[in-house]
Order: sequence, then C-alpha cells, then structure tokens
Amino acid sequence: EPEVTQTPSHQVTQMGQEVILRCVPISNHLYFYWYRQILGQKVEFLVSFYNNEISEKSEIFDDQFSVERPDGSNFTLKIRSTKLEDSAMYFCASSDQRGGSETQYFGPGTRLLVL
Amino acid sequence: AQSVTQLGSHVSVSEGALVLLRCNYSSSVPPYLFWYVQYPNQGLQLLLKYTSAATLVKGINGFEAEFKKSETSFHLTKPSAHMSDAAEYFCAVSDNKGAQKLVFGQGTRLTINP
Repeated sequence: EPEVTQTPSHQVTQMGQEVILRCVPISNHLYFYWYRQILGQKVEFLVSFYNNEISEKSEIFDDQFSVERPDGSNFTLKIRSTKLEDSAMYFCASSDQRGGSETQYFGPGTRLLVL
Repeated sequence: AQSVTQLGSHVSVSEGALVLLRCNYSSSVPPYLFWYVQYPNQGLQLLLKYTSAATLVKGINGFEAEFKKSETSFHLTKPSAHMSDAAEYFCAVSDNKGAQKLVFGQGTRLTINP
C-alpha cells in the first residue's frame, strides 16, 4: 500500500542552524501539507502546497519557514534559523484531490529537537 | 473559525469493554469530520470520516462514529476493546474552503487494561 515517508525520523540541531525536513508523498498525489505537534499540544496546520505554490499557510509559518518541491517526488520543509520553540514532531501529508472531504495521508513524522 | 474539543486526554477501559471517545466540533459551515489514530512511532492513520452522507460512519478495526448536528458531536465508539486498540486518537474537522486544512483536537490517549 502506498505511504508517505519522511526523513530523518529524528533530528537534533543547535539553535540558529538551518534544518531541512524531507517528505516523499504518495506518488499520484497533488496536494501536500505540513503539520507540527509540539509535545503535549495539538497537531497544528503549517502550510499546504499545490502546483508549486503555497495554497494556504498558518500564522506559525513565518519567514523562517519555506517549502519546496525540488523534484517530482520530494517535498521539503526548511527552517532557516531554528529556535528552541521549533522543537516538535513535524508531519507531512498528501492527498490526491482538492476538497475538505478528501483524506490526507500522513507520514510517520520527524521529531526535531533544537538545543 | 473551526475548532475541535476532545473530552478526556486519557481514557482507560478494560479489554472487551465499550470504547467511547468524545469529540465536539465548532464550525460555521457544514463540516467534514475525521478520526485518526496514531500508534507509537507511527504516523496518523485514518480511522473513518464523515462527509455529509450517512450520519453513522463505520471505519477500520471495528470503530464507528455518529455525526449529531444538534449536539455538534462526532463521538467514536467500539463495542469491545482489544489490547491492540491502545493508541492516541485524534478528531479533526475541515471545510470546503481554501486548501482544506485539518483542525485537530488535542488527542485522547486510550489505554486498554487486561
């Protein structure tokens, strides 16, 4: 069964460093998402992406964040200068259709720890 | 703005007992509602979803949920708990605007006692 994959599973970085989180969505999907979950808090929407453009972004997704689809398979989230409060589990998701009823398929997450 | 409230961050039931996980939503438009499950060290897996068809929705692993508009609820149930049901469960809402972001509840950790 096709699945969303994410690498790395864990990443430890120093405050101020840049990190890139990678995702491989399901191959025929066209809509991509990043969410994050700070320990003990809700899963929060960060950004959605379609046709090489950001469709929607949350207040969390400030200038320190960027997303890219560098090739036909990968979808990345870059944090330019990490802060302590960026420590969280980051989930990538994808869906094949547009519409609120469509299922988003989630990857296993990348746990980011900023020291 | 849409929101989801899950009553009870931790629920513990005995094996074979009824599982009831509560979810209430707030939405200004007809919502789409989802239940996801997260097993340890895994991603979020869809259990079931409500998309304005039948109000009683059946999902995987014997779970079902009933959409009750009058109560703005979408509670998740399973008649008989199994040890393998131990996981974290998330209720989420979306609409048909924009890019269909999901708004999640805080999650309920289900523990099954032998």
